[in-house]
Formats: sequence, C-alpha cells, structure tokens
Amino acid sequence: GQNIDQPTEMTATEGAIVQINCTYQTSGFNGLFWYQQHAGEAPTFLSYNVLDGLEEKGRFSSFLSRSKGYSYLLLKELQMKDSASYLCAVMDSNYQLIWGAGTKLIIKP
Amino acid sequence: IAGITQAPTSQILAAGRRMTLRCTQDMRHNAMYWYRQDLGLGLRLIHYSNTAGTTGKGEVPDGYSVSRANTDDFPLTLASAVPSQTSVYFCASSSTSGSWTTGELFFGEGSRLTVL
Repeated sequence: GQNIDQPTEMTATEGAIVQINCTYQTSGFNGLFWYQQHAGEAPTFLSYNVLDGLEEKGRFSSFLSRSKGYSYLLLKELQMKDSASYLCAVMDSNYQLIWGAGTKLIIKP
Repeated sequence: IAGITQAPTSQILAAGRRMTLRCTQDMRHNAMYWYRQDLGLGLRLIHYSNTAGTTGKGEVPDGYSVSRANTDDFPLTLASAVPSQTSVYFCASSSTSGSWTTGELFFGEGSRLTVL
C-alpha cells in the first residue's frame, strides 16, 4: 500500500529553526509537495521537489532524497504566524496526490 | 469571484437527506478535485475530474457523486447522508496539460458538514 509518515505534532520556539520530516512509500514518484494549513483554513502550496536536493524559498527550504523515500521541510527564524499544520504529499505514478496526516507545529514565544 | 468558491461553508444535515456541495472556480483550470479531511487522517480524494465532461473515482467515492458539465463548476452530491460523512470537504483545482498536472492545488475554503 501507499503510505506517507510525518510526526503528528512538534513544538518550537519563536526565532528558532525546526525541521519537519516526511517519509513515503508510494507506487511511483512524480514529485513531493509541502502545504501549509492554518487552523480552520484551506491548505496552501509551499514547495515542490522532484529531484534530489534542497530547494530554498525565503525562510522555508525543502529537501528530497528519492533513494531514501525521505523529505524534510526546514523553517528558519520562526514566527508566531508559522503555527499551522504542514502537509506532505507525494504524486504517484497515476499523477494522484497521496497525503500525509500532517504535522501540527506549535510555536512558543 | 477570485479562485475557488465553495458553498455552503457549514451545514448540519439529518441522516438520509440529500445534500449538494457547490464548487466554482474562475482560474480556467482543467482539473478539479473533492477531498474530505478528518482529524488524524490525511486528505482523502473522493472524486476528481481531469477535464469538463469526465470524472473519476478517488480513494473514498462510496456515497458520493459528482458531475462536470463545464470547466468552472464541480458539485459534490451526497445522495443519502450518513453520520460517517461528517467531515470537512475541500474542493481544489489544478492546471493540467494532457496527463500531466503541475501538482499545485488551489483549494476552496472548505465546507464543514455535520450529519446527525
């Protein structure tokens, strides 16, 4: 079966750095996505990785290792507004997105 | 309208009733999707449509139906609601080219449905 694993919840301090991990087992791979979802709101796109390596976009970076079935989202200089759930999703061989359950990130002052 | 609009935003429904969740987009995206989101579970695909006139079943299609008469609208119907269909429903769209989709989904604000 297809499976996406990520931690249920993480806590970090304002101004610090946090890394959210995602491991996956899917039938085929056509890219890995990270989405941010604030409580009670819709998910919004953060990043896309299809090749191994690090993609940087401002305070957020995403890393992919296809051989290990592993990705992480790195958030730097954490702000209170970063408190949200972060969803990892993999596009399988049928170009459908398989979603993880999400990681709830709590930022403390 | 800007992006994707869903209606209603919230609804309480008696079991056995029929319900249609509406979804309209103005981005001219070919592909549209309906997901349900439940606590502790990832987004689960109910139905999708790669282009107007075509639809397909996702991971959890039972009890739901969809239609895609035109590019902009993609309504989701619960023919006879049951309590297990209590969930938050998200409509989404993406740009496609042939069988390829960019993968970046644009979501509506969600419809919170409670079936009693």
